[in-house]
Amino acid sequence: KAGVTQTPRYLIKTRGQQVTLSCSPISGHRSVSWYQQTPGQGLQFLFEYFSETQRNKGNFPGRFSGRQFSNSRSEMNVSTLELGDSALYLCASSAPGQYEQYFGPGTRLTVT
Amino acid sequence: KNQVEQSPQSLIILEGKNCTLQCNYTVSPFSNLRWYKQDTGRGPVSLTIMTFSENTKSNGRYTATLDADTKQSSLHITASQLSDSASYICVVSAIGGSQGNLIFGKGTKLSVKP
Repeated sequence: KAGVTQTPRYLIKTRGQQVTLSCSPISGHRSVSWYQQTPGQGLQFLFEYFSETQRNKGNFPGRFSGRQFSNSRSEMNVSTLELGDSALYLCASSAPGQYEQYFGPGTRLTVT
Repeated sequence: KNQVEQSPQSLIILEGKNCTLQCNYTVSPFSNLRWYKQDTGRGPVSLTIMTFSENTKSNGRYTATLDADTKQSSLHITASQLSDSASYICVVSAIGGSQGNLIFGKGTKLSVKP
């Protein structure tokens, strides 16, 4: 079974631009969560989607948004990029009723 | 406030030695505790998940313990290998059922030297 995939793996953007990251969960998984990971803060929860509905949202500004499609694939968008948005963005999927989360390899975003 | 504290922040050991990583939490109500291994530049990989009723769980050379009374967990690595060099993240889930209830520790960075 294929794992969680994320595209692109690396991205360099300029302040003020916007970016869209994509995540394809493991087949059959309907829950997709997004996390931001920085050296100083560790992993921080952004949001969780289940069956195309946002189920939870972390404490991030409205510049961070996401969505989930009917095939469970998910995208997150960051508008008006700031230098502090440079981070590894991870998505994880899980099967209904299961604790286990499976993480993708992440997208490394650098904002200059 | 729900928190997860890990210690030490970093650790260097020689190949073949054992080590123990600590995790203390104040998450309530408790649902489960997870240990993840994260190689540099990669996504975390689950090592163990323990619920309230479990006090030890093994995955190869990795053994996790949980004391729900003192709200402490440890991850013991036996006969370390160079490939064990990674960050180890403790994650505690509060009851609520969704992944949004996860509280992450900041991790312990382990370096195994030959």
